Amino acid sequence: DTAVSQTPKYLVTQMGNDKSIKCEQNLGHDTMYWYKQDSKKFLKIMFSYNNKELIINETVPNRFSPKSPDKAHLNLHINSLELGDSAVYFCASSPTGSKDTGELFFGEGSRLTVL
Amino acid sequence: EDQVTQSPEALRLQEGESSSLNCSYTVSGLRGLFWYRQDPGKGPEFLFTLYSAGEEKEKERLKATLTKKESFLHITAPKPEDSATYLCAVQVNFNKFYFGSGTKLNVKP
Repeated sequence: DTAVSQTPKYLVTQMGNDKSIKCEQNLGHDTMYWYKQDSKKFLKIMFSYNNKELIINETVPNRFSPKSPDKAHLNLHINSLELGDSAVYFCASSPTGSKDTGELFFGEGSRLTVL
Repeated sequence: EDQVTQSPEALRLQEGESSSLNCSYTVSGLRGLFWYRQDPGKGPEFLFTLYSAGEEKEKERLKATLTKKESFLHITAPKPEDSATYLCAVQVNFNKFYFGSGTKLNVKP
């Protein structure tokens, strides 16, 4: 049973299009994240939500809009896609409070290619 | 500025040839240092957490150590299945992590 699942795994689209990536976790965690991994393998935080509330919004273009309908789901919508948006996007989750070990649980990633 | 640097970028070892990976960091306040393993096409998988200088953690052929400025991941007698990219991350507050760019390890039989 997959703990953090993302769909789609691969996404190929044209510049200017709008696309969404969905993420769900069944670990009962309160905090969810979106990370971007570029071609040099750097993982950079984009957004973090805690119990559906946005708590981290790094310097990400406002073409990127996260949405958390409930604490088990965190989706990422991207408008007007650009070539530089090509990357692997990882969803992650972590527990909070007494269960917080700092460990992040990652999905398998969604590889976005913008042509 | 908070920064995490990993070296080397890539490392080729023969099976059984021990070595170490380095993660150096400059952050304003360290809550924890984490090591992850990432296989191709997969998400990072947690290995270790270290919280204070002098701490060590071991798991099979891997041992992680921490000083005030850096962490080492020692790999003893590696096997081909240890081939992966190893990522280091530092936690600066409860949900903010900075990752290094990783060391890609290739262990040849």
